[in-house]
Amino acid sequence: DAKTTQPPSMDCAEGRAANLPCNHSTISGNEYVYWYRQIHSQGPQYIIHGLKNNETNEMASLIITEDRKSSTLILPHATLRDTAVYYCIVRVPYNFNKFYFGSGTKLNVKP
Amino acid sequence: DADVTQTPRNRITKTGKRIMLECSQTKGHDRMYWYRQDPGLGLRLIYYSFDVKDINKGEISDGYSVSRQAQAKFSLSLESAIPNQTALYFCATSEATGSYEQYFGPGTRLTVT
Repeated sequence: DAKTTQPPSMDCAEGRAANLPCNHSTISGNEYVYWYRQIHSQGPQYIIHGLKNNETNEMASLIITEDRKSSTLILPHATLRDTAVYYCIVRVPYNFNKFYFGSGTKLNVKP
Repeated sequence: DADVTQTPRNRITKTGKRIMLECSQTKGHDRMYWYRQDPGLGLRLIYYSFDVKDINKGEISDGYSVSRQAQAKFSLSLESAIPNQTALYFCATSEATGSYEQYFGPGTRLTVT
């Protein structure tokens, strides 16, 4: 099953764009990339997902490379409330659509 | 009201005790999940259920059992709690089609002494 690799932590200035990278070099053609975040020890919150095309919603943008081996989550104007652990996850359709969580990236948004 | 609720929110218990964590959802989803999170780590899947009659083991099911009493209710039991089961436990639900987005409950913090 495809696994993901993320940097353990990143800093971002408030008001600037936060770009969170994720490597998923073993991803298969039908496996989706999802992003969730966890604020403090709360339940994880869905952000966005995609397969091949770039995606955008009210929270963030997801950029997936053409070879699909990596992706970047972009928070266009980070606020202090965006401080959280961000998880890049691969959903495996042929394995009952299970989600595999890695250790995530702790994003610290600083004033 | 929250879509996914968990009770209790915090629990301290002693080694060897039986404990049940409960999860209820109002989203009408067929699929429900139990995850465990240890400090500084991501979530690991304990059990998942695709409907009332379909229950499956996840990555780390040893020492745990589950019961799907109804579409809306999914309980996790520790038959004989041990200290290394001290963790944060999350319940989640999802649809069986579409985006498969999982909706998580607020978590139960369990401490086994």
